[in-house]
Amino acid sequence: DAKTTQPNSMESNEEEPVHLPCNHSTISGTDYIHWYRQLPSQGPEYVIHGLTSNVNNRMASLAIAEDRKSSTLILHRATLRDAAVYYCILLQGGKLIFGQGTELSVKP
Amino acid sequence: EAEVAQSPRYKITEKSQAVAFWCDPISGHATLYWYRQILGQGPELLVQFQDESVVDDSQLPKDRFSAERLKGVDSTLKIQPAELGDSAMYLCASSLIPWSTDTQYFGPGTRLTVL
Repeated sequence: DAKTTQPNSMESNEEEPVHLPCNHSTISGTDYIHWYRQLPSQGPEYVIHGLTSNVNNRMASLAIAEDRKSSTLILHRATLRDAAVYYCILLQGGKLIFGQGTELSVKP
Repeated sequence: EAEVAQSPRYKITEKSQAVAFWCDPISGHATLYWYRQILGQGPELLVQFQDESVVDDSQLPKDRFSAERLKGVDSTLKIQPAELGDSAMYLCASSLIPWSTDTQYFGPGTRLTVL
């Protein structure tokens, strides 16, 4: 299974942008990059996904490197409710293989 | 907004007892997943159903775990007998289209504690 590498934890200040990095150097050409997040005591929720081009939705933006070996999830203005574990996942054969994720804390 | 329902939310049992968890996916979602999440780790897929058929149970400990989705709608995951190492969050998820980029929608989970 292709692996992703993320920092264990990151801190942000409220209302500032947050850039969450992810390395996936063994990604194959057909692997989609998915991001999910898990708020405390809840199940994971979908954030965004992409293949090659940068993607934007109401929750976040996803910037994908040209060689696809890394990507960055961008939260444009962090709020206290964005404090969660963020998982960067390569979708392979329809399966989500979760790593340990990045625990994001947001300071008021 | 439609949600995946799970019950119970919490379960405490003693080792060697049997436990069962129930999941009701979003209406119309043909694909259903059961995950196990040990504290501090990401979820791990246990079993995937397409309608009533199991399509992937490679990570399911079949000596003690079983899962069924008899009518292709709701599903039950059972552990018998429970062991101390089974203490974890059990998450159910569903999606509309299998083997695709389709979003998986997760339920709130059942937190199991085995004493």
